[in-house]
Amino acid sequence: ELKVEQNPLFLSMQEGKNYTIYCNYSTTSDRLYWYRQDPGKSLESLFVLLSNGAVKQEGRLMASLDTKARLSTLHITAAVHDLSATYFCAVNMEYGNKLVFGAGTILRVKS
Amino acid sequence: DAGVIQSPRHEVTEMGQEVTLRCKPISGHNSLFWYRQTMMRGLELLIYFNNNVPIDDSGMPEDRFSAKMPNASFSTLKIQPSEPRDSAVYFCASRTTGGGEQYFGPGTRLTVT
Repeated sequence: ELKVEQNPLFLSMQEGKNYTIYCNYSTTSDRLYWYRQDPGKSLESLFVLLSNGAVKQEGRLMASLDTKARLSTLHITAAVHDLSATYFCAVNMEYGNKLVFGAGTILRVKS
Repeated sequence: DAGVIQSPRHEVTEMGQEVTLRCKPISGHNSLFWYRQTMMRGLELLIYFNNNVPIDDSGMPEDRFSAKMPNASFSTLKIQPSEPRDSAVYFCASRTTGGGEQYFGPGTRLTVT
């Protein structure tokens, strides 16, 4: 059974600081997704990582995938308040169309 | 495209009543997913369909829950009878089978009193 673990589950950081959220998964997969959820809102797709070594960047966020280590990272550079949200990683089951989501990381950026 | 459409957006009902949630996926997407999100249990996959056929319903909590997809543009999730522990936000999502991301609808916030 595929398990997806995120850490930390809660992150409080100062504006301007850098930090990394980690996503580990337990079985083979080469497709990983990052989503953002604002309070009371739906999930919004941030990044789609489809191969080993994939790196995607959008603004202050950069995501990477290491399929050999079964690890993805979401790096935050010079955090700003607008980045406060919950971030989920999700891993595609090796066979089929099902995603398994991590528990989510609640990010709070303090000014 | 209008994105994934869900209705109603909010539903308040009394215990024992039947509740029907509706979803219209993005046109051209052939996979549809129903999720439930609560503070205690996080985001749970209830059931998903490929080409209107249920593929995996292992996440459906019990027989009170049922889901249908009569055609490519419409799906329902029904709870009968509803219970207070069913209170949650229910999301519908759709995607193509080519490996792209799932697109989520706005959700239905269900409160069962």
